[in-house]
Amino acid sequence: KAGVTQTPRYLIKTRGQQVTLSCSPISGHRSVSWYQQTPGQGLQFLFEYFSETQRNKGNFPGRFSGRQFSNSRSEMNVSTLELGDSALYLCASSPGPAETQYFGPGTRLLVL
Amino acid sequence: KNEVEQSPQNLTAQEGEFITINCSYSVGISALHWLQQHPGGGIVSLFMLSSGKKKHGRLIATINIQEKHSSLHITASHPRDSAVYICAVRAGADGLTFGKGTHLIIQP
Repeated sequence: KAGVTQTPRYLIKTRGQQVTLSCSPISGHRSVSWYQQTPGQGLQFLFEYFSETQRNKGNFPGRFSGRQFSNSRSEMNVSTLELGDSALYLCASSPGPAETQYFGPGTRLLVL
Repeated sequence: KNEVEQSPQNLTAQEGEFITINCSYSVGISALHWLQQHPGGGIVSLFMLSSGKKKHGRLIATINIQEKHSSLHITASHPRDSAVYICAVRAGADGLTFGKGTHLIIQP
């Protein structure tokens, strides 16, 4: 089976712009979670989706949003980018909620 | 909010040594995960535990629910074990809360 894929792998944006990141889970996995990793804060939970429904959301401002499609693919969007949004954004999929997660390679976002 | 503490933050050891990494958390959990991250960012899930002990190859993970503590052990360590090891916990239906990670270097 193919692993979790994320696109794009690298992205450079400027402050104020918006960005959309995409995640394709392992075939058959219906749960997708998103995480942000920075040198200062480490890994932090953003959202978890299961069967197109957001199950929970981490402590991030409303500029961060996401969705999951009927084929389990997921996107996350960050609007009005700030310098502090520069990070590695990781997506992970699992067959269902609270099961072992399989991580994608991440999207490295740089905001200038 | 669950607080997850890992120790040590950094660990350098010689090839062949027995390695122990510790994780403590503050609130009752439904599951604890041990993750491995290599330079470049890729994360691999090593174990998911809710009780007892699990073993996979040279890796062993234990959890003590009453003491809110878990350990990850590596036997016969090898330079390829050099990575960041991250503990993460899930409380109920919440998302994962992560520790800061342990930077492990195994020297030949």
